[in-house]
Formats: sequence, structure tokens, C-alpha cells
Amino acid sequence: NAGVTQTPKFRILKIGQSMTLQCTQDMNHNYMYWYRQDPGMGLKLIYYSVGAGITDKGEVPNGYNVSRSTTEDFPLRLELAAPSQTSVYFCASRTPGVGPVTEAFFGQGTRLTVV
Amino acid sequence: GENVEQHPSTLSVQEGDSAVIKCTYSDSASNYFPWYKQELGKGPQLIIDIRSNVGEKKDQRIAVTLNKTAKHFSLHITETQPEDSAVYFCAATATDSWGKLQFGAGTQVVVTP
Repeated sequence: NAGVTQTPKFRILKIGQSMTLQCTQDMNHNYMYWYRQDPGMGLKLIYYSVGAGITDKGEVPNGYNVSRSTTEDFPLRLELAAPSQTSVYFCASRTPGVGPVTEAFFGQGTRLTVV
Repeated sequence: GENVEQHPSTLSVQEGDSAVIKCTYSDSASNYFPWYKQELGKGPQLIIDIRSNVGEKKDQRIAVTLNKTAKHFSLHITETQPEDSAVYFCAATATDSWGKLQFGAGTQVVVTP
């Protein structure tokens, strides 16, 4: 059972470059999320999706874009990398359906450095 | 929106002692409060959670308490072991928030033998 898989694990970008952080889950979860974690801080929500074709902004969406063409995949796009985007990025997913909130499963993270 | 504060930021305990981490939240609509453990280089992993319809929940050496009136909840780890060393995060969300978690800033727990 792979769970939530993120690639790459590490990446160094130059200012102005673009990249896509990949996230895929094999648990048939409708809800998926992207968080960033800065040193000494809790995780901040960037974008989330409640199903294929449906995405919405979180707390810190500026500089990022997402798409959700399938239930399994939720890529995060950085168009013009800036030093402020140096962070550890986590993808998460949650069991489908409405009602009581259920456990969110997290990937191992992508450590991104923008120089 | 929801705001979660977590204290302390670091906690050093002797092996076998207890550790307590406290969180407060601001949104009275929040009804789900998970605790995550994050080991170095890994993603957060759920260790225990509590819903607003209960005041306490235990799982072996770990317990969580919730005081809805005061809007605070706490994590208690008893008989700490070196493998309990990690960063712990509290979080909060509400049923109608699409499961979006608002996290505390984290507590670095160090258990010394």
C-alpha cells in the first residue's frame, strides 16, 4: 500500500525557473491538499481539491497553481520560483465523503530550495 | 478563520517522565482535533485525534483532552521513551471546512535517556 507519494524528494531551483511537484495517492481519496512547512512553523495550506476538476485556494496560494484531472493525482506548479518559496512541501489526502472529518494521510515531502 | 496556538515550542524530558503539549483554538465551529508526529525527514503521521463530542481519549501511553468551553486541547505522553523524540503538531478543523487543517507551530520533544 503506497499511500501518498511525492516526487521529487529534493530539488534546487534558480530564481525564475518553473517546476511541478508531483503527488499521487492510491487510496481513492476525493480530498487532496498541498501544505508548505517553513522552519519553526506549522503547515500552511496552499491549495486543496475535493474531487477531479475541483480546486480552491488555501491560506497561501500566491505563486502556485494546481490542477486535478484525476482522482489519484494532484500536481502543484511553481511558475516563477522565488526565494520565499524555499520550503518543505507536503501533499495529503483524506477519505471520501461528507460528514465527520476523517484522518488525513501525508506524503514524505519535497524539500525545495530556490537560489 | 481558525487560529491554533501551541505551547511549548520545545520540551525536554527525561526518559520515563511525562510530556504535556497544549493547544488553543479560536473557532468555536471546530470539531475535530488531530495530533501529528513528525520524525526527521518524514511527513506528519497521525497519532491520536479527538472529536468535540468527547472530552478525553486514550491510546496506550498517549492521551488527548479537550475543553470546548475554554477552547483548548492537550496531548499527554506518559512513560516517555527515546523513540518519542520528534516534532508534534496539533491541528483543528470543522466538518464544513472540507477537512482543511489549521496547524499549530509545533513542539520539538527531546527525550533523554
